[in-house]
Amino acid sequence: AQTVTQSQPEMSVQEAETVTLSCTYDTSESDYYLFWYKQPPSRQMILVIRQEAYKQQNATENRFSVNFQKAAKSFSLKISDSQLGDAAMYFCAYRRGTLLFGNEKLTFGTGTRLTIIP
Amino acid sequence: IAGITQAPTSQILAAGRRMTLRCTQDMRHNAMYWYRQDLGLGLRLIHYSNTAGTTGKGEVPDGYSVSRANTDDFPLTLASAVPSQTSVYFCASSDSIRSVSGYTFGSGTRLTVV
Repeated sequence: AQTVTQSQPEMSVQEAETVTLSCTYDTSESDYYLFWYKQPPSRQMILVIRQEAYKQQNATENRFSVNFQKAAKSFSLKISDSQLGDAAMYFCAYRRGTLLFGNEKLTFGTGTRLTIIP
Repeated sequence: IAGITQAPTSQILAAGRRMTLRCTQDMRHNAMYWYRQDLGLGLRLIHYSNTAGTTGKGEVPDGYSVSRANTDDFPLTLASAVPSQTSVYFCASSDSIRSVSGYTFGSGTRLTVV
């Protein structure tokens, strides 16, 4: 079974600084997708960024980027120029890519709560 | 309706009572899911449905049941609630087989069983 580990329950960063959230995963699959979700106090789950395992290039979405190390099974999220609105719980998630019979479930990590210090 | 609607938003329920959490989507997504979120445990899959008429068990299915009579609705039922089912419940959906875009989530239902 696949597992996703987020070893940092809480992180904090000064506004406008850069912070990196860690995520590691365990899988025997070669084809898969990785995601970072943001959950602000509103409770809504918001997709931040995704990475296809077959792509060597790291995904980037504005101030959010990932460092995908496939051999190390590591998928960290870097937030640049942190803003107050980035304060949230962040979840790393994994999904198998080979879909023979339909959709596959997302497996989530336990989350990292990010605090932005003004 | 835009996306996924969950009802109720929150509920306090006496132990032993039956409760159905409602989930409706308007995106015609094939697959739907129920997760529970608990502090320190992240989101764990309860049940899923790949398409209307089919359902499957996730990681923590005990005490819960689901049905998928049509594409849009995916209710989750607690037959006899227990305090350990106190949690935030999320319904989610994804589109056709190669859903590389992840899930669309509802806003969640906070359930307290007393």
